Amino acid sequence: DTEVTQTPKHLVMGMTNKKSLKCEQHMGHRAMYWYKQKAKKPPELMFVYSYEKLSINESVPSRFSPECPNSSLLNLHLHALQPEDSALYLCASSQVSGTGTFMDRGYTFGSGTRLTVV
Amino acid sequence: AQKVTQAQTEISVVEKEDVTLDCVYETRDTTYYLFWYKQPPSGELVFLIRRNSFDEQNEISGRYSWNFQKSTSSFNFTITASQVVDSAVYFCALSAPYNTDKLIFGTGTRLQVFP
Repeated sequence: DTEVTQTPKHLVMGMTNKKSLKCEQHMGHRAMYWYKQKAKKPPELMFVYSYEKLSINESVPSRFSPECPNSSLLNLHLHALQPEDSALYLCASSQVSGTGTFMDRGYTFGSGTRLTVV
Repeated sequence: AQKVTQAQTEISVVEKEDVTLDCVYETRDTTYYLFWYKQPPSGELVFLIRRNSFDEQNEISGRYSWNFQKSTSSFNFTITASQVVDSAVYFCALSAPYNTDKLIFGTGTRLQVFP
């Protein structure tokens, strides 16, 4: 079982809908990440939260809105998405951010949410 | 700039063959980490190995082995006696945590192992 839990596993939404993706970890990691992965492409970083504060935003459109309510939870709020936003959205966590110290695995990824925008 | 190159887009082998996946990286950082992840069709990125830039020892874990050569900026991954369950996309990735929180992925190599 993965130690980073993402819900839902699959999501189909219309372009006028508002939905949220959720990510949860209980490993005590203080850095959490959202990655977007299009088909047959590598994951691309979207956002990084470090100690519950947004530290990196990779010029992501405002229709994607991240939120980190506490050190264990990470949300991605979606609004007015386009069909080209259809992708696998992966959440990850790591022990610390920006200090170069990792536990064994470095980054632990969830199974992802497969999003389809219609 | 940091970059990871996986020149092999797709590799097909027959079960029990050995296969090597190549990874070449670029970075100006003196301290960095290299990773290999496996992504089966289910989508989850499965951690395989992490290697830091100061540790050039090769590593073996069961049928998996890794060859890290700083002189050629390569971190290659070999599967010995491949099995059908090894079929997946394999990503090599680079992180320089003193400089950035990013994990830079290569484009991935799709490995298909046929029975």
